[in-house]
Amino acid sequence: AQSVAQPEDQVNVAEGNPLTVKCTYSVSGNPYLFWYVQYPNRGLQFLLKYITGDNLVKGSYGFEAEFNKSQTSFHLKKPSALVSDSALYFCAVRPNQAGTALIFGKGTTLSVSS
Amino acid sequence: GAVVSQHPSWVICKSGTSVKIECRSLDFQATTMFWYRQFPKQSLMLMATSNEGSKATYEQGVEKDKFLINHASLTLSTLTVTSAHPEDSSFYICSARVLGMNTEAFFGQGTRLTVV
Repeated sequence: AQSVAQPEDQVNVAEGNPLTVKCTYSVSGNPYLFWYVQYPNRGLQFLLKYITGDNLVKGSYGFEAEFNKSQTSFHLKKPSALVSDSALYFCAVRPNQAGTALIFGKGTTLSVSS
Repeated sequence: GAVVSQHPSWVICKSGTSVKIECRSLDFQATTMFWYRQFPKQSLMLMATSNEGSKATYEQGVEKDKFLINHASLTLSTLTVTSAHPEDSSFYICSARVLGMNTEAFFGQGTRLTVV
């Protein structure tokens, strides 16, 4: 079965420190990979995506993610965390097929302390 | 990015009544829209895929007669929860995608449904 794993329910970092939110996937073929952020009682906001090309993808708000095909991972990173980055982060993949919906990980709550 | 508007953002209804949630793509045409349900502190569960002008495709375990989906135009899809029960209380989110394989999905703000 196709799936996305976010092994950490919560990640805690101090403001100014680097952060990493982990994501691994199990999808056949060459999927498209995404990161979204959700604030309380809100929809999801797109952060970044990997389709093809450079394995390091840069996105909104200073976030970036590194695609590693051999490890089937797509970890989200930021060099210096802000308190305002505190939110729920979802990794998602879409199999390389037309019309298919996103498959989401369970989400990771990021908490940045001041 | 493209904007998806979902309305209402929250609704409280009595058991046995029906509730309609609208999802609109404001500045693009969406041939495909998706409806998700999210329980507290959990991920998004796909309910159905809605294609303009055709019947929605429901995921296993989702009652199509209870969750009616209509995608009458390229900018509007609706989800109607019929004969709502307290267990239908949840956060419902729609998403839409522009044509093309490598485009990201854009999400509505979500609708918090509470059935009392």
